[in-house]
Amino acid sequence: DAGVIQSPRHEVTEMGQEVTLRCKPISGHNSLFWYRQTMMRGLELLIYFNNNVPIDDSGMPEDRFSAKMPNASFSTLKIQPSEPRDSAVYFCASRNPGSSYNEQFFGPGTRLTVL
Amino acid sequence: GENVEQHPSTLSVQEGDSAVIKCTYSDSASNYFPWYKQELGKRPQLIIDIRSNVGEKKDQRIAVTLNKTAKHFSLHITETQPEDSAVYFCLTGTASKLTFGTGTRLQVTL
Repeated sequence: DAGVIQSPRHEVTEMGQEVTLRCKPISGHNSLFWYRQTMMRGLELLIYFNNNVPIDDSGMPEDRFSAKMPNASFSTLKIQPSEPRDSAVYFCASRNPGSSYNEQFFGPGTRLTVL
Repeated sequence: GENVEQHPSTLSVQEGDSAVIKCTYSDSASNYFPWYKQELGKRPQLIIDIRSNVGEKKDQRIAVTLNKTAKHFSLHITETQPEDSAVYFCLTGTASKLTFGTGTRLQVTL
């Protein structure tokens, strides 16, 4: 398995533009997490899905952020409109809660820069 | 919700010395306590975990201890090496919700 796949790996955009981050979880994993990491705030859980259903979105900073998981193999995190303070590394992680381990497997991350 | 505190935020040790990182939590329902390591520019990866029915777990140079009564757990790294330099995160919670600690930047100096 290729592990969790994220695209793009780097994104540079201008303030006000729409940004879409993509994630493909590990096949068979039915939990998916979106995290944001900055120096100031560390790793923050934005939202997580279980069986494609959003379970907890309390970490989503504001209405400019939205996430979807239309099927078990794909999820998107959208920021519209983007702002400079959204600049961060965004990680997607997946987990198979049905296994005896609860390990989250992280993707390589998307480094977002909003100018 | 769960409140996780991690200390220290930075730690510098000499190669060969031991390093200890501690986390405290608030939710008594928490039953899973993993530690993740994140090297510079890379993704977090699980290095060791422990469940609430076990007080200690060891894997070569790393170990985790859990005190459920006091609601704290610790990561111990012995005989530290330069490649141990990274940011370490504790997590705690249940199968449905895990909360990250704030991270500890460990620097192992020669």
